[in-house]
Amino acid sequence: QKEVEQDPGPLSVPEGAIVSLNCTYSNSAFQYFMWYRQYSRKGPELLMYTYSSGNKEDGRFTAQVDKSSKYISLFIRDSQPSDSATYLCAMSAIYGNNRLAFGKGNQVVVIP
Amino acid sequence: EPEVTQTPSHQVTQMGQEVILRCVPISNHLYFYWYRQILGQKVEFLVSFYNNEISEKSEIFDDQFSVERPDGSNFTLKIRSTKLEDSAMYFCASQDRLVSYEQYFGPGTRLTVT
Repeated sequence: QKEVEQDPGPLSVPEGAIVSLNCTYSNSAFQYFMWYRQYSRKGPELLMYTYSSGNKEDGRFTAQVDKSSKYISLFIRDSQPSDSATYLCAMSAIYGNNRLAFGKGNQVVVIP
Repeated sequence: EPEVTQTPSHQVTQMGQEVILRCVPISNHLYFYWYRQILGQKVEFLVSFYNNEISEKSEIFDDQFSVERPDGSNFTLKIRSTKLEDSAMYFCASQDRLVSYEQYFGPGTRLTVT
């Protein structure tokens, strides 16, 4: 079983729709959960950061973590064309050296 | 807002040549990382560095790779003898860890080995 799974299928939505992305993971030691946005051939940009289980909201973005199911989600409300990018989930354990394990990424296209 | 910077943005080299990729982490951060992303694939961890030592390395980080913090600001990744399969985007990241565990990434260096 892969450490982090993210269905890489591209996602096209009309402007104003809710975008829903998710990842599953197998390593129960993961405690820090992050969502990054990446534009083509650019570095990952940190969007949301959550420690352990729960929800976190920042403007139009909501991150959810369900550790019992080993499942994390990112929701983007009122999506805009500028939200078009690849979204990567990433996570790390609390012990050790905090290496990030990434999902493969979801390409999101918001159509005006 | 402080940011991680990387140079060069694009490096083309011939197989067998040595390359050095440079990074300037965020100034008060203590933990530094290199990751790579082969085109169309996941971002993969290479190595972490703290207190002038490697903390952890992946199986990708073999004897051809080395890291160094030659002064108080730069953090470098050296590939001694490049192979075609080293072609990828290389990202540097830094982390505070005293305040938070977030890792901030640089814009990357695109390495092309011909």
